[in-house]
Amino acid sequence: QSVLTQPPSVSGAPGQRVVISCTGNSSNIGAPYDVHWYQHLPGTAPKLLIYVNTNRPSGVPDRFSAFRSGASASLAISGLQAEDEADYYCQSYDNSLSGSSVFGTGTKVTVL
Amino acid sequence: QVQLQESGPGLLRPSQTLSLTCAVSGDPIHRSTFLWTWIRQRPGDGLEWMGHIFYSGSTSYNPSLRSRLFISVDTSTNQFSLRLTSVTAADTAVYYCAREISSRRTNYFDLWGQGTLVTVSS
Repeated sequence: QSVLTQPPSVSGAPGQRVVISCTGNSSNIGAPYDVHWYQHLPGTAPKLLIYVNTNRPSGVPDRFSAFRSGASASLAISGLQAEDEADYYCQSYDNSLSGSSVFGTGTKVTVL
Repeated sequence: QVQLQESGPGLLRPSQTLSLTCAVSGDPIHRSTFLWTWIRQRPGDGLEWMGHIFYSGSTSYNPSLRSRLFISVDTSTNQFSLRLTSVTAADTAVYYCAREISSRRTNYFDLWGQGTLVTVSS
């Protein structure tokens, strides 16, 4: 069971901005542990989108940005494009009984 | 560029042992500072970190799987493997291998395989 909660879905028209939240607690994001984000198109390899809270790997457009505050984090996609339609996951570490890397529940982004 | 590719059986019976292999190309495992990881996604569920291994053989496992999971590495073939014993239907999932980077407070996964679907059914 994922300990990081994300909305099941968000949607927006092309060109719009959407924000995906990732809510944790004092054992993970709020501990504080860093947050990372992944983009996943079903049937393909997940792709690292953001690492260590705000950093974009080479090749990731600057339309993708992220921030963290307290026990939560958010991923923003500006200038939404059709190719952004995918599942998005946050990831952090949890020091409670699980004691391991943990992922969010996942958010499906739909481009209207 | 570095690529990861999972391989293994797609169908298992309950109580059998799942064995998967991840072939790493483009980066010698024994020369890297990365960790090599298994992650799975059960149907309708999120991603679950299962465990990782360093080229030296040092491992770390998800506590929920520790009693059934064994991860090994073969630097001669540049592969690492997963063995999960006593599988049940709850182990039906897409299994991914990934490269894990040690970060100051939280590791992350910068490269992933395409994933392989494993179904456990009688």
